[in-house]
Amino acid sequence: DIQMTQSPSTLSASVGDRVTITCRASQSISTYLAWFQQKPGKAPKRLIHRASTLESGVPSRFSGSGSGTEFTLTISSLQPDDFATYYCQQYNSYWTFGQGTKLEIK
Amino acid sequence: QVQLVQSGAEVKKPGASVKVSCKASGYTFTGYYMHWVRQVPGQGFEWMGWIMPNSGDTIYAQKFKGRVTMTRDTPISTAYMELGSLRSDDTAVYYCAKDAGYTGSFDIWGQGTVVTVSS
Repeated sequence: DIQMTQSPSTLSASVGDRVTITCRASQSISTYLAWFQQKPGKAPKRLIHRASTLESGVPSRFSGSGSGTEFTLTISSLQPDDFATYYCQQYNSYWTFGQGTKLEIK
Repeated sequence: QVQLVQSGAEVKKPGASVKVSCKASGYTFTGYYMHWVRQVPGQGFEWMGWIMPNSGDTIYAQKFKGRVTMTRDTPISTAYMELGSLRSDDTAVYYCAKDAGYTGSFDIWGQGTVVTVSS
């Protein structure tokens, strides 16, 4: 199985900050990576697929990059609605998720 | 709009089975794989398997083989996931998720079904 490792596990930040979350795959997954946002009690919402393609309707302050084994999700200027937990998911070989990054208000 | 609506919360005893339903609307049900994923508190997401609604073909994750059965009823655009021989560590939120087709991954998720296994 391909293992996905996210860092950090928790990130404290303020409105307006630029933040970056990293996701590493245990083997190359090309760009078969998605990012999801999950709020408490809700289903995940896909933000990005193919490592860098933004979903329709997702604000442009979200961006993704990377290929192979290292990927990043960047939020350029945090808004109050962005405080949530973020997960990466690989779909190169079956489907596995990172353990999540909780983005909390500083 | 495209949506998946799941059945309600369940409480089961160890050794029992649970069957969760997922009703699709807003798209061609038979055209996309339907995945099942669970989120165990504090342990993240686990992919359990998928079913192709058109054919009924399934693939199950190794961990769940022998305990999980995925089926569908195409006239009512509904997928089902049944998990048997329940244990306390099967307590989780179970989601169905629509495959995104050529873009890969999952683009639409159900609202989740809480399954609690307790004696």
